[in-house]
Amino acid sequence: DVKVTQSSRYLVKRTGEKVFLECVQDMDHENMFWYRQDPGLGLRLIYFSYDVKMKEKGDIPEGYSVSREKKERFSLILESASTNQTSMYLCASGSPPWEQYFGPGTRLTVT
Amino acid sequence: DQQVKQNSPSLSVQEGRISILNCDYTNSMFDYFLWYKKYPAEGPTFLISISSIKDKNEDGRFTVFLNKSAKHLSLHIVPSQPGDSAVYFCAASPSGNTGKLIFGQGTTLQVKP
Repeated sequence: DVKVTQSSRYLVKRTGEKVFLECVQDMDHENMFWYRQDPGLGLRLIYFSYDVKMKEKGDIPEGYSVSREKKERFSLILESASTNQTSMYLCASGSPPWEQYFGPGTRLTVT
Repeated sequence: DQQVKQNSPSLSVQEGRISILNCDYTNSMFDYFLWYKKYPAEGPTFLISISSIKDKNEDGRFTVFLNKSAKHLSLHIVPSQPGDSAVYFCAASPSGNTGKLIFGQGTTLQVKP
């Protein structure tokens, strides 16, 4: 069974703080993804990575950065958290690239 | 610009009846389509997929239909069960094997006992 784990289920941060969201997968997948889910907007891709140290912007990369130093780990970084980044963050991995396996999500609240 | 649209935010059906969830897309270059199911407080789980060269794919109670001329796909669940109550997302993969998926807004299905 594919397992994708995320470091926190719930997180509360203050405006301006630097936030790290960690994701680990155990299936040796090449591709990893970060999405955010908001009501009425579905899942929107923030960044993805198709190899170690490789990254590509998704549809809404502004205010975010990512890091992939090891194949199994993909981190999402909010450099200076803002209230409009309050959301559910979902990490996924996949290989072949179409079927993506998701972690349980991190509900981030920025106050 | 929403390339994948699920125009019905919610759907309610009786247990045992058919559930039909719809999805429209605008980009004719999508070559693979997927449906995901999401329960509250869990990540989405893959349900069923279809390649653009096919018009139907069936897996147990779940069937996905693709109408390329109308740029429309649908998910049929027969018979519906209360455990099917969840949010359903359709997703499309642009050609070129980039690994990206573009998701619709989701439809919340409620199956009443």
